[in-house]
Amino acid sequence: QQQVKQSPQSLIVQKGGISIINCAYENTAFDYFPWYQQFPGKGPALLIAIRPDVSEKKEGRFTISFNKSAKQFSLHIMDSQPGDSATYFCAAPGTGANNLFFGTGTRLTVIP
Amino acid sequence: DAGVIQSPRHEVTEMGQEVTLRCKPISGHNSLFWYRQTMMRGLELLIYFNNNVPIDDSGMPEDRFSAKMPNASFSTLKIQPSEPRDSAVYFCASSLTRNIQYFGAGTRLSVL
Repeated sequence: QQQVKQSPQSLIVQKGGISIINCAYENTAFDYFPWYQQFPGKGPALLIAIRPDVSEKKEGRFTISFNKSAKQFSLHIMDSQPGDSATYFCAAPGTGANNLFFGTGTRLTVIP
Repeated sequence: DAGVIQSPRHEVTEMGQEVTLRCKPISGHNSLFWYRQTMMRGLELLIYFNNNVPIDDSGMPEDRFSAKMPNASFSTLKIQPSEPRDSAVYFCASSLTRNIQYFGAGTRLSVL
């Protein structure tokens, strides 16, 4: 099993600003920790994923930071754009089986 | 690749009726997952299959829910009889790399 706590629940950022979403997990796991982006009426789309033996991964404007000792990981969206307005979910792997446990989501609104 | 394909996209039915949701995973993926998403409970894993075999069905709410995967390219989630509290968006996801899952567009189910 796994517990994932995600914050904040909602976030409003000005265009060009940095959006930061934080997640914490309980049980040590060794597989990918992915982030998903979901637009209204769509399924969650894989955004970026990181393994716990890596401290940071960057893809374009999206960066994941991973702190294994603190069991925390975060998503940073640089130069946030109105098109980034969506709900973001972090996920952590279970401790044995091939399954994911999702955070409760962060609704991001980027104001033009 | 066409991605994970779910059908129907929307389903409206009356309480007591049987509902069947369908999923075609990404070709070559060996794991398939069924999730339910609601505002109150977020994303919940219902069941997942590995190589067409059910591995963990502990998330299936009750005996009214059943899932099958007769072959590597098709899965169904059945609710019989349906109840209003089953109203939700149901997602199917598939995976080849451990803990990297790709979601379909979902089926929005409304039980009246």
